[in-house]
Amino acid sequence: DAGVIQSPRHEVTEMGQEVTLRCKPISGHNSLFWYRQTMMRGLELLIYFNNNVPIDDSGMPEDRFSAKMPNASFSTLKIQPSEPRDSAVYFCASSTSGTASGNTIYFGEGSWLTVV
Amino acid sequence: GEDVEQSLFLSVREGDSSVINCTYTDSSSTYLYWYKQEPGAGLQLLTYIFSNMDMKQDQRLTVLLNKKDKHLSLRIADTQTGDSAIYFCAERIGGYNKLIFGAGTRLAVHP
Repeated sequence: DAGVIQSPRHEVTEMGQEVTLRCKPISGHNSLFWYRQTMMRGLELLIYFNNNVPIDDSGMPEDRFSAKMPNASFSTLKIQPSEPRDSAVYFCASSTSGTASGNTIYFGEGSWLTVV
Repeated sequence: GEDVEQSLFLSVREGDSSVINCTYTDSSSTYLYWYKQEPGAGLQLLTYIFSNMDMKQDQRLTVLLNKKDKHLSLRIADTQTGDSAIYFCAERIGGYNKLIFGAGTRLAVHP
């Protein structure tokens, strides 16, 4: 099993540029989550999807952030325009939905974003 | 509301037991999780416990859950230098596996 795959692993970009982060969930998982990790705020849930449909985007910080899941095997998180305060590690995670047996949530290795 | 709290730091001697504590607020949490994060890496699931259990043991790891006090702990027996990492407690909310994380406890293991 390849696990949750994120790209890019590291990105440095200039303020004002568009950033697109990508995620491939584990095959067969129908829930997908985007988290952001910073020193100041810890791990924050930005948005999550179930069966490709956004369920809760209340954690998305601003209109500059958007996320899509066009199919079961791919999701993007876009920041446009990017700002230095967006610098963080962005994690994608996936799981099966429902309440049975823990439904383990698996995390990718993260995309380390620096906006200068 | 949804909130998970942990102490920020713990220092232990190699070979001793480590106990990391966590409190949560949502009484409807169905599962509680412990994740480990090593420097520069993602989150690795260590173990989880269902809310109707009060203890779960997995090799060197023991999870204790006091549902009445909404208190969760992770005990690592015979702590090794490789256990040095940040440990996150998380509660699951709802049926879509939404996880609310604590701030993480940084465990430092010294000789």
